[in-house]
Amino acid sequence: DTGVSQDPRHKITKRGQNVTFRCDPISEHNRLYWYRQTLGQGPEFLTYFQNEAQLEKSRLLSDRFSAERPKGSFSTLEIQRTEQGDSAMYLCASSGLGGADYGYTFGSGTRLTVV
Amino acid sequence: AQSVAQPEDQVNVAEGNPLTVKCTYSVSGNPYLFWYVQYPNRGLQFLLKYITGDNLVKGSYGFEAEFNKSQTSFHLKKPSALVSDSALYFCAVRYSSASKIIFGSGTRLSIRP
Repeated sequence: DTGVSQDPRHKITKRGQNVTFRCDPISEHNRLYWYRQTLGQGPEFLTYFQNEAQLEKSRLLSDRFSAERPKGSFSTLEIQRTEQGDSAMYLCASSGLGGADYGYTFGSGTRLTVV
Repeated sequence: AQSVAQPEDQVNVAEGNPLTVKCTYSVSGNPYLFWYVQYPNRGLQFLLKYITGDNLVKGSYGFEAEFNKSQTSFHLKKPSALVSDSALYFCAVRYSSASKIIFGSGTRLSIRP
């Protein structure tokens, strides 16, 4: 296993278009997290899954955002009707159920630019 | 509110000198504390963690951090800085095994030759 994979690495889209990002976690990890990071800021939590269940969503996640993890493996994050303010790095991370002993393993992120 | 603060946007150190990157956290139960590093156009890499036990924890690349409960701090340290340590450093906290990790705003560490 090569770690957490995110696809695509970069995405440029026009305002108003829909975009979808994919995250493949470490195979034995059953928790998956999405974060958003804007330039010069720390990552902000968006949502997380335990297996296929979405257990928490941030207030940052407006109705235009939706995330799924249909089989408890990979996850997708969709943004509908993109706005320029959505431009950011979208980070995915995964962790095991080992609990508090572990931090997360992060992917390299998907950089979204809305023009 | 559960949070973590990094009071310095940037820290500049000469190569070979000791470095400290500061972090404080809000008090809420028993926190689990982390440091991550981010290189340009890369994801975050785990450096070290404090869960319980010794207040001084050692991590990757020669970094260490000291948990100070009375000062609610978890400062990152290294005895001798390298130019390759230049990167963005994030302190982070979680308050239970079930909760999400909350990140600070980051500190840019710049090591001059």
